[in-house]
Amino acid sequence: EAVLTQSPGTLSLSPGERATLSCRASQSVSSLNLAWYQQKPGQAPRLLIFGASSRATGIPERFSGSGSGTDFTLTISRLEPEDFAVYYCQQYGNSLWTFGQGTKVEIK
Amino acid sequence: QVQLQESGPGLVEPSGTLSLTCTVSGGSISGSYWTWIRQPAGKGLEWMGRIYETGYTDHNPSLKSRVTMSVDTSFQFSLRLSSVTAADTAVYYCARVFGAYFDQWGQGVLVTVSS
Repeated sequence: EAVLTQSPGTLSLSPGERATLSCRASQSVSSLNLAWYQQKPGQAPRLLIFGASSRATGIPERFSGSGSGTDFTLTISRLEPEDFAVYYCQQYGNSLWTFGQGTKVEIK
Repeated sequence: QVQLQESGPGLVEPSGTLSLTCTVSGGSISGSYWTWIRQPAGKGLEWMGRIYETGYTDHNPSLKSRVTMSVDTSFQFSLRLSSVTAADTAVYYCARVFGAYFDQWGQGVLVTVSS
């Protein structure tokens, strides 16, 4: 199974700044099987990006995903107050889903 | 759109069996895989297993043979986790599988393992 390592653990930024979150896999992951989720306190995760770069329904354009193989990135172009949350990457392979440990985006 | 709601006891004794039900509204379970994911407090997400309307299942090998899932009705499916310990204390989510992703989630239910 692919182990996903996210970095940094915490990202301290101000509203309006650009956020770049990394997800590195221990082995190659099909881009089709890579997703990103946002989770706010007390809430369930919400699907943001699937297929490494496709936005889910209703997700603003400021969220974008990229990458292939073992290195994937989630970018938030200009942080809005509601974007401060924890973000998880997730992969599917060999009938098994795994998640990264998460990156917290906090207000600086 | 489909909505999911988890239900079940919030407290389970050690060595007992955790039992949860997920109720689907705004649609049925037909045509999709459904899954269970859990999250210990302050920690990350762990995929537990998935089930199809036919009753086909597979599960995370890390949980060994403790996990059982079943389809109860056209609108409900269930999770059973046996031989629980404090390490199984978590928020448990049910979700819909969409391809390789989870596109609809329940709000989650906290289950505490304690005597």
